[in-house]
Amino acid sequence: QKEVEQNSGPLSVPEGAIASLNCTYSDRGSQSFFWYRQYSGKSPELIMSIYSNGDKEDGRFTAQLNKASQYVSLLIRDSQPSDSATYLCAVNRPHEGGSYIPTFGRGTSLIVHP
Amino acid sequence: DTAVSQTPKYLVTQMGNDKSIKCEQNLGHDTMYWYKQDSKKFLKIMFSYNNKELIINETVPNRFSPKSPDKAHLNLHINSLELGDSAVYFCASSRTPGELFFGEGSRLTVL
Repeated sequence: QKEVEQNSGPLSVPEGAIASLNCTYSDRGSQSFFWYRQYSGKSPELIMSIYSNGDKEDGRFTAQLNKASQYVSLLIRDSQPSDSATYLCAVNRPHEGGSYIPTFGRGTSLIVHP
Repeated sequence: DTAVSQTPKYLVTQMGNDKSIKCEQNLGHDTMYWYKQDSKKFLKIMFSYNNKELIINETVPNRFSPKSPDKAHLNLHINSLELGDSAVYFCASSRTPGELFFGEGSRLTVL
Protein backbone atom coordinates (compact mmCIF):
# COMPACT_ATOMS: atom_id res chain seq x y z
CA GLN A 1 0.00 0.00 0.00
CA LYS A 2 1.38 3.37 -1.01
CA GLU A 3 2.00 5.75 1.88
CA VAL A 4 0.28 8.72 0.23
CA GLU A 5 -2.14 8.14 -2.63
CA GLN A 6 -3.54 10.57 -5.17
CA ASN A 7 -5.26 10.14 -8.51
CA SER A 8 -2.76 11.09 -11.18
CA GLY A 9 -5.42 12.73 -13.36
CA PRO A 10 -5.44 14.78 -15.36
CA LEU A 11 -8.35 16.54 -13.74
CA SER A 12 -9.82 18.93 -16.26
CA VAL A 13 -12.15 21.73 -15.13
CA PRO A 14 -13.50 24.82 -16.90
CA GLU A 15 -12.37 28.26 -15.85
CA GLY A 16 -14.40 29.52 -12.89
CA ALA A 17 -15.32 26.05 -11.63
CA ILE A 18 -14.32 24.38 -8.36
CA ALA A 19 -11.45 21.91 -8.62
CA SER A 20 -11.44 19.15 -6.01
CA LEU A 21 -8.23 17.26 -5.34
CA ASN A 22 -8.08 14.28 -3.02
CA CYS A 23 -5.43 12.39 -1.08
CA THR A 24 -5.39 9.44 1.30
CA TYR A 25 -2.58 8.28 3.57
CA SER A 26 -1.84 4.93 5.16
CA ASP A 27 -0.04 5.69 8.44
CA ARG A 28 -2.48 6.72 11.18
CA GLY A 29 0.38 8.26 13.12
CA SER A 30 0.89 10.88 10.42
CA GLN A 31 0.87 14.42 11.70
CA SER A 32 0.59 17.57 9.63
CA PHE A 33 -0.61 17.63 6.07
CA PHE A 34 0.38 19.81 3.17
CA TRP A 35 -0.47 20.72 -0.38
CA TYR A 36 2.23 21.76 -2.82
CA ARG A 37 1.84 23.10 -6.34
CA GLN A 38 4.41 22.26 -9.00
CA TYR A 39 4.41 23.94 -12.40
CA SER A 40 6.04 22.03 -15.23
CA GLY A 41 9.82 22.31 -15.03
CA LYS A 42 9.70 24.13 -11.70
CA SER A 43 10.15 23.17 -8.06
CA PRO A 44 7.28 22.38 -5.67
CA GLU A 45 5.84 25.35 -3.76
CA LEU A 46 3.90 25.06 -0.50
CA ILE A 47 0.39 26.44 -0.82
CA MET A 48 -1.49 25.05 2.20
CA SER A 49 -0.79 23.28 5.46
CA ILE A 50 -3.39 21.78 7.79
CA TYR A 51 -2.83 20.28 11.22
CA SER A 52 -6.24 19.50 12.69
CA ASN A 53 -9.52 18.03 11.51
CA GLY A 54 -11.82 20.32 9.61
CA ASP A 55 -11.44 23.00 7.00
CA LYS A 56 -8.81 25.68 6.53
CA GLU A 57 -9.37 28.46 4.03
CA ASP A 58 -6.80 30.72 2.41
CA GLY A 59 -8.11 32.87 -0.42
CA ARG A 60 -9.46 30.61 -3.16
CA PHE A 61 -7.97 27.51 -1.52
CA THR A 62 -9.61 25.33 1.13
CA ALA A 63 -7.85 22.35 2.67
CA GLN A 64 -9.94 19.70 4.41
CA LEU A 65 -8.67 17.05 6.80
CA ASN A 66 -10.42 13.98 8.17
CA LYS A 67 -7.99 11.95 10.29
CA ALA A 68 -10.52 9.20 11.02
CA SER A 69 -10.85 8.52 7.29
CA GLN A 70 -7.15 9.31 6.66
CA TYR A 71 -8.22 11.73 3.98
CA VAL A 72 -7.04 15.19 2.91
CA SER A 73 -8.49 17.30 0.16
CA LEU A 74 -7.88 20.63 -1.54
CA LEU A 75 -10.62 22.72 -3.11
CA ILE A 76 -9.74 25.49 -5.52
CA ARG A 77 -12.62 27.90 -6.09
CA ASP A 78 -12.97 30.06 -9.21
CA SER A 79 -10.26 28.04 -10.96
CA GLN A 80 -8.03 29.98 -13.32
CA PRO A 81 -5.86 28.76 -16.21
CA SER A 82 -2.87 29.83 -14.10
CA ASP A 83 -3.88 27.12 -11.57
CA SER A 84 -2.97 24.46 -14.15
CA ALA A 85 -0.17 22.50 -12.47
CA THR A 86 0.52 19.29 -10.58
CA TYR A 87 -0.71 19.32 -6.99
CA LEU A 88 1.27 17.23 -4.54
CA CYS A 89 -0.15 16.02 -1.25
CA ALA A 90 2.40 15.54 1.54
CA VAL A 91 2.15 14.16 5.06
CA ASN A 92 4.58 14.04 7.97
CA ARG A 93 4.98 10.28 8.42
CA PRO A 94 6.37 9.03 11.75
CA HIS A 95 10.01 8.01 11.74
CA GLU A 96 12.31 6.54 14.37
CA GLY A 97 13.52 8.75 17.16
CA GLY A 98 10.36 10.81 17.18
CA SER A 99 11.10 12.56 13.92
CA TYR A 100 8.81 12.80 10.92
CA ILE A 101 9.45 12.25 7.23
CA PRO A 102 7.72 14.63 4.80
CA THR A 103 6.30 12.05 2.36
CA PHE A 104 4.73 12.97 -0.95
CA GLY A 105 2.05 11.47 -3.13
CA ARG A 106 2.58 11.15 -6.87
CA GLY A 107 0.56 14.28 -7.56
CA THR A 108 -2.60 15.12 -9.47
CA SER A 109 -2.33 17.04 -12.71
CA LEU A 110 -4.92 19.83 -12.92
CA ILE A 111 -5.86 21.47 -16.21
CA VAL A 112 -8.09 24.54 -16.15
CA HIS A 113 -9.38 25.31 -19.62
CA PRO A 114 -10.73 28.72 -20.67
CA ASP B 1 18.47 36.68 -2.84
CA THR B 2 17.61 33.05 -3.60
CA ALA B 3 16.43 31.25 -0.45
CA VAL B 4 17.59 27.73 -1.42
CA SER B 5 20.13 27.53 -4.20
CA GLN B 6 21.54 24.45 -5.90
CA THR B 7 24.43 24.07 -8.28
CA PRO B 8 24.74 22.93 -10.94
CA LYS B 9 21.25 23.10 -12.47
CA TYR B 10 22.14 20.60 -15.18
CA LEU B 11 24.60 17.71 -15.25
CA VAL B 12 25.16 15.40 -18.20
CA THR B 13 27.66 12.62 -17.61
CA GLN B 14 28.64 9.10 -18.53
CA MET B 15 27.86 5.93 -16.59
CA GLY B 16 30.49 5.17 -13.99
CA ASN B 17 31.47 8.79 -13.37
CA ASP B 18 31.24 10.59 -10.02
CA LYS B 19 29.36 13.88 -9.59
CA SER B 20 28.44 16.31 -6.82
CA ILE B 21 25.55 18.69 -6.28
CA LYS B 22 25.78 21.57 -3.82
CA CYS B 23 22.97 23.21 -1.89
CA GLU B 24 22.88 26.32 0.27
CA GLN B 25 20.02 27.95 2.15
CA ASN B 26 19.96 31.47 3.62
CA LEU B 27 16.69 31.06 5.54
CA GLY B 28 18.28 30.10 8.84
CA HIS B 29 16.48 26.75 8.86
CA ASP B 30 17.82 23.85 10.91
CA THR B 31 16.69 21.02 8.66
CA MET B 32 17.71 20.26 5.09
CA TYR B 33 16.69 17.49 2.70
CA TRP B 34 17.52 15.82 -0.56
CA TYR B 35 14.64 14.52 -2.69
CA LYS B 36 14.77 12.66 -6.00
CA GLN B 37 12.03 13.24 -8.59
CA ASP B 38 11.93 10.58 -11.28
CA SER B 39 10.54 10.79 -14.80
CA LYS B 40 7.05 10.01 -13.48
CA LYS B 41 7.32 13.02 -11.17
CA PHE B 42 7.37 10.96 -7.97
CA LEU B 43 9.18 12.97 -5.28
CA LYS B 44 11.02 10.56 -2.98
CA ILE B 45 13.02 11.55 0.07
CA MET B 46 16.63 10.47 0.18
CA PHE B 47 18.23 12.17 3.19
CA SER B 48 17.51 14.69 5.89
CA TYR B 49 19.92 16.55 8.15
CA ASN B 50 19.09 18.52 11.26
CA ASN B 51 21.81 20.86 12.47
CA LYS B 52 24.43 18.94 10.48
CA GLU B 53 23.30 15.57 11.88
CA LEU B 54 21.86 12.87 9.59
CA ILE B 55 18.35 12.00 10.77
CA ILE B 56 16.80 10.31 7.73
CA ASN B 57 18.44 7.92 5.30
CA GLU B 58 15.75 6.26 3.20
CA THR B 59 17.26 3.08 1.74
CA VAL B 60 19.46 4.96 -0.65
CA PRO B 61 22.38 3.04 -2.23
CA ASN B 62 25.65 3.82 -0.53
CA ARG B 63 26.91 5.27 -3.82
CA PHE B 64 25.08 8.37 -2.62
CA SER B 65 26.82 10.23 0.17
CA PRO B 66 25.44 13.43 1.68
CA LYS B 67 27.61 15.89 3.57
CA SER B 68 26.58 18.83 5.70
CA PRO B 69 29.55 21.04 6.58
CA ASP B 70 27.26 23.44 8.46
CA LYS B 71 23.52 23.86 8.85
CA ALA B 72 23.27 26.15 5.82
CA HIS B 73 24.83 23.67 3.40
CA LEU B 74 23.98 20.16 2.29
CA ASN B 75 25.88 18.56 -0.54
CA LEU B 76 25.27 15.30 -2.38
CA HIS B 77 28.02 13.21 -3.92
CA ILE B 78 27.19 10.31 -6.21
CA ASN B 79 29.76 7.64 -7.11
CA SER B 80 29.70 5.25 -10.06
CA LEU B 81 26.67 6.80 -11.72
CA GLU B 82 24.09 4.46 -13.25
CA LEU B 83 21.40 5.07 -15.86
CA GLY B 84 18.71 4.81 -13.17
CA ASP B 85 20.21 7.77 -11.34
CA SER B 86 18.92 10.09 -14.06
CA ALA B 87 16.38 12.35 -12.34
CA VAL B 88 15.88 15.80 -10.92
CA TYR B 89 17.40 16.17 -7.47
CA PHE B 90 15.80 18.76 -5.21
CA CYS B 91 17.32 20.23 -2.10
CA ALA B 92 14.92 21.67 0.47
CA SER B 93 15.02 23.26 3.90
CA SER B 94 12.46 23.74 6.64
CA ARG B 95 11.97 25.31 10.04
CA THR B 96 8.71 23.43 10.64
CA PRO B 97 8.71 19.74 9.58
CA GLY B 98 6.82 19.37 6.31
CA GLU B 99 6.83 23.05 5.39
CA LEU B 100 9.58 22.76 2.82
CA PHE B 101 11.27 25.41 0.74
CA PHE B 102 12.72 23.81 -2.37
CA GLY B 103 15.65 24.78 -4.52
CA GLU B 104 15.25 24.96 -8.29
CA GLY B 105 16.44 21.40 -8.78
CA SER B 106 19.44 19.81 -10.46
CA ARG B 107 18.65 17.74 -13.54
CA LEU B 108 21.05 14.81 -13.82
CA THR B 109 21.27 12.87 -17.08
CA VAL B 110 23.42 9.73 -17.14
CA LEU B 111 24.31 8.47 -20.63
